[in-house]
Amino acid sequence: SAVISQKPSRDICQRGTSLTIQCQVDSQVTMMFWYRQQPGQSLTLIATANQGSEATYESGFVIDKFPISRPNLTFSTLTVSNMSPEDSSIYLCSGTNRGPYNEQFFGPGTRLTVL
Amino acid sequence: AQTVTQSQPEMSVQEAETVTLSCTYDTSESDYYLFWYKQPPSRQMILVIRQEAYKQQNATENRFSVNFQKAAKSFSLKISDSQLGDAAMYFCAYRTSGSRLTFGEGTQLTVNP
Repeated sequence: SAVISQKPSRDICQRGTSLTIQCQVDSQVTMMFWYRQQPGQSLTLIATANQGSEATYESGFVIDKFPISRPNLTFSTLTVSNMSPEDSSIYLCSGTNRGPYNEQFFGPGTRLTVL
Repeated sequence: AQTVTQSQPEMSVQEAETVTLSCTYDTSESDYYLFWYKQPPSRQMILVIRQEAYKQQNATENRFSVNFQKAAKSFSLKISDSQLGDAAMYFCAYRTSGSRLTFGEGTQLTVNP
């Protein structure tokens, strides 16, 4: 299974600023995803990070608010732009391996608090 | 659209006992995969077990097993000999080949000593 790390693990930010979250995988993965999770709730997919091209966003999420990069097969970043308190959440990165089941593995998450 | 439903927001079990978490899903596909993930307070999502829809045999992983009823679109997780470390939020998830995961709302499991 792939091991996924995220930085930072948590942050407290001021309204109107931006934060970039980094996701590093220890092996090549076919697909990478970014999720948002409110405490006690399920995961909501923000977008699929595509290598070398624009990410594919889910309904309700736009590139201007959540720009995503994936320059290679093992690294991706998510930026939360112009933050408001409503963006306070846990952000998780995940990747699928190359095995027959394309199992999806997750990073430890980044806990973001916006004041 | 595919949906995954976990009807038990919370469950509790005594240590060493057995507990079953329910999951149902809705799909028109015949080929798909089902998963159970565990998320302890550390937030780390951990893959517990998976089931391929084309396999009739129920998957097992040590103390964890599933009851997969394809016709009923049901995929329950049984945890035997529950341990304190099993306490977590459990998510049922579905996907077809090449598609993204669809998660249920989760079941918070408490293990009482």
